[in-house]
Amino acid sequence: EPEVTQTPSHQVTQMGQEVILRCVPISNHLYFYWYRQILGQKVEFLVSFYNNEISEKSEIFDDQFSVERPDGSNFTLKIRSTKLEDSAMYFCASSETPPGPSNQPQHFGDGTRLSIL
Amino acid sequence: AQSVTQLDSHVSVSEGTPVLLRCNYSSSYSPSLFWYVQHPNKGLQLLLKYTSAATLVKGINGFEAEFKKSETSFHLTKPSAHMSDAAEYFCVVSDATGFQKLVFGTGTRLLVSP
Repeated sequence: EPEVTQTPSHQVTQMGQEVILRCVPISNHLYFYWYRQILGQKVEFLVSFYNNEISEKSEIFDDQFSVERPDGSNFTLKIRSTKLEDSAMYFCASSETPPGPSNQPQHFGDGTRLSIL
Repeated sequence: AQSVTQLDSHVSVSEGTPVLLRCNYSSSYSPSLFWYVQHPNKGLQLLLKYTSAATLVKGINGFEAEFKKSETSFHLTKPSAHMSDAAEYFCVVSDATGFQKLVFGTGTRLLVSP
């Protein structure tokens, strides 16, 4: 079965450094998402992306964050200047269909654990 | 706005006994509801989904959930627990507007003892 793959599985970065988290969505999927889960807290939506632009973002997704689909297969999340509170598990997800009551579910990767020192 | 409440942070069962994980939702629309499971150091795997078809939804690994509009509930059940079911389970509602972002509950950790 096709999978969403995320790299690296664990990233350790010094505070203030830039970090890029990478995701390869399922090949025929058109809708892409990033979520994060701070240790001990619930999974939170960050951003959705369709047709090469952000379709929705949460209040967490401030100017330090950006997303990109650089080459038609990868989907990246960049944090420009990391803070201690960015430490979390970051999940990429993708789905096939547009929004609606019959929408196909989102499929998730295994996540990247980001540790900011 | 949509939200879900998972009523138990931890549920402990013995292997072979039934599993019940409770979830209540709040939605101003007819919701799309999901259960996802997260095994240690793994991603989120879809167990089952409800999208306004049959109210009793069957998922993978013997799990099922029943959508009850009158009770605004979507509880997850399994007749007989297996050791491999030990994991974190998330009840999730899909935002009916925009691009269907998912809104997660706080999760229920299922512990299965021999």
